[in-house]
Parts: sequence; C-alpha cells; structure tokens
Amino acid sequence: DAGITQSPRHKVTETGTPVTLRCHQTENHRYMYWYRQDPGHGLRLIHYSYGVKDTDKGEVSDGYSVSRSKTEDFLLTLESATSSQTSVYFCATSTTGTDTEAFFGQGTRLTVV
Amino acid sequence: QKEVEQDPGPLSVPEGAIVSLNCTYSNSAFQYFMWYRQYSRKGPELLMYTYSSGNKEDGRFTAQVDKSSKYISLFIRDSQPSDSATYLCAMGAGTASKLTFGTGTRLQVTL
Repeated sequence: DAGITQSPRHKVTETGTPVTLRCHQTENHRYMYWYRQDPGHGLRLIHYSYGVKDTDKGEVSDGYSVSRSKTEDFLLTLESATSSQTSVYFCATSTTGTDTEAFFGQGTRLTVV
Repeated sequence: QKEVEQDPGPLSVPEGAIVSLNCTYSNSAFQYFMWYRQYSRKGPELLMYTYSSGNKEDGRFTAQVDKSSKYISLFIRDSQPSDSATYLCAMGAGTASKLTFGTGTRLQVTL
C-alpha cells in the first residue's frame, strides 16, 4: 500500500447525523480525492484537492463537504447523512493529477440507517 | 450517456484463456488511459498506464488504445485464478484534471 490510511474502516450511522471520514497519507502527494463506489455506477468523484486549502467539486458533491488543512489529511463530511449515501468511500492520492498513478486507500464502508 | 462505458460482466473464463476487456468513451480530450484491478473489499490498484494511442505490454497484460475509435482494451494472456477481480478502466485529460472511471468488469477465472 502507498501509505494511505482511511478511518474508520466501517461505520453505521443514523439518518440526519453528521459523519466525518478521514484520509491520511504519508506520500506527500499534492492531489487527494474522495470517491464513492456503488454497484452499477463504479467509482464517482465526490470532491478533490489540489493543495492545502484548495478543493473543488466532483460529479456527486451534493450533501458532502471536504477540508484539507494539511498536506497529509483530507476530510470528507456528510453534513446530514441520508440512506442514499450508504456506500463504500475511497480516498486516493496522486502527485500531479491524472497523468500519474492514483493510489487508493482500503475504503470505508458506510451504512446509513 | 455515460462518458465512459464498460460492460459490467461477470465474465467467466477457464484458466489459461485469453481475456479481452474493453471500454468506450466519448470525451476526445482524454489522453491518459489506465486499467485498475480491484480485488474484493480492497482499493483499486494500477495495472496498466498508457498515454495517447498505441499498445503497451507488461508480462501477461497488454493495453491497447485506439483514439480514433475512442476504444481501449486490456488483454490478459494465460489467465490465472489470481486474476479473478474487477477491472476498472480510467481516463484523464491531463495534469490537474479528474479521472473518469468505467463501472468495472468482474472477471472470474475458473480452474
């Protein structure tokens, strides 16, 4: 593994509660990404970051926010969890963007009940 | 229509077979083409990486890109049970752009 740690690995939460997922990297990669993976949809980009405090939206950003206060940490927050946000969430990093390899974490399995 | 289309499978082949996995895409700006392999309950890992058109070979794996047809392929020769996984194609337009993934093809190699 490329030094990417996601926490927690599993979480069950109730509808309407806020949830924060953490991604920590030791590679000093500039770019960090949050994806969700669902059957029939593959990996879809939620938000990404191209530097400390620099973030942008992906294709499925509604209901999610992110923060990156340090190079090594990228947080994903579900502001008020809904059942449609039940998914497997992956963090990824890369050095310069899509012209280089993206390294993925092990994933966080989130269930919203 | 999705930007990247990939047959979800599942694809079941006997050990030793040649496997062909494919993706089509609609965005002509894509220049970087990748194949990721994902084992069950794991994160994807890069298998093959190709820039622009052409072929690239790495051991039993060959990646092909045909930009004129907007079509990419991954061939696996002498397939092994350890190749059983989901294969995701991914594409990007360059530095600072975003990767777009296919939905993945699940491959099962049987003994």
